[in-house]
Amino acid sequence: QSVLTQPPSVSGAPGQRVTISCTGSSSDIGAGYHVYWYQQFLGTAPKLLIYDNNNRPSGVPDRFSGSKSGASASLAITGLQADDEADYYCQSFDRSLRTYVFGTGTKVTVL
Amino acid sequence: QVQLQESGPGLLKPSETLSLSCTVSGGSVNTDGSYWSWIRQPPGKGLEYIGYVSYIGNNNYNPSLKSRVTISLDTSKNQFSLTLTSVTAADTAVYYCSREIRNCFDPWGQGTLVTVSS
Repeated sequence: QSVLTQPPSVSGAPGQRVTISCTGSSSDIGAGYHVYWYQQFLGTAPKLLIYDNNNRPSGVPDRFSGSKSGASASLAITGLQADDEADYYCQSFDRSLRTYVFGTGTKVTVL
Repeated sequence: QVQLQESGPGLLKPSETLSLSCTVSGGSVNTDGSYWSWIRQPPGKGLEYIGYVSYIGNNNYNPSLKSRVTISLDTSKNQFSLTLTSVTAADTAVYYCSREIRNCFDPWGQGTLVTVSS
């Protein structure tokens, strides 16, 4: 039961910049809760990519960046590479549901 | 570093009970402030949070599953487990265990596919 909305797919040529939006509401992102991003390659477990809106865990390239404004957040990938092809999910907390919620997921394709 | 590994039956019949375990290595399930979660992903679909158990046995469950879910700790085995009753085909998914840390999930187990079929 995803309550965070993402575009189903985005694509770009190698070297380009792509952004993925994550739209929530006044119960989750808009209520001030942090946004997190995960990267999932086909057939593997998700991996934490961004925490607390715009921070990268150790080992995540600085080509990945996050931002948040109001009830929405975005993940940007600059210098797109072939091995960035994956599914990306945002995540936050919903105070009405009192549980963690994930986005609908976005497939990134490198042309 | 902390690593997690899921285990349990991969095939169930409708109305049966799903039981999975997650073995934690490189850390202790009863470390102060630690939270241990289950998340699932139906084939070809997105992620759904199931719930967590804390280091002292407190729980938080997704309201959509709360009536059927139990997550518990086994400190003697350094494991935590998931029980989901009265399964249907809609419960077919890859089930992941993960550590919840600062309101996000890291790391994750490799996942285990559970199929519900008659």
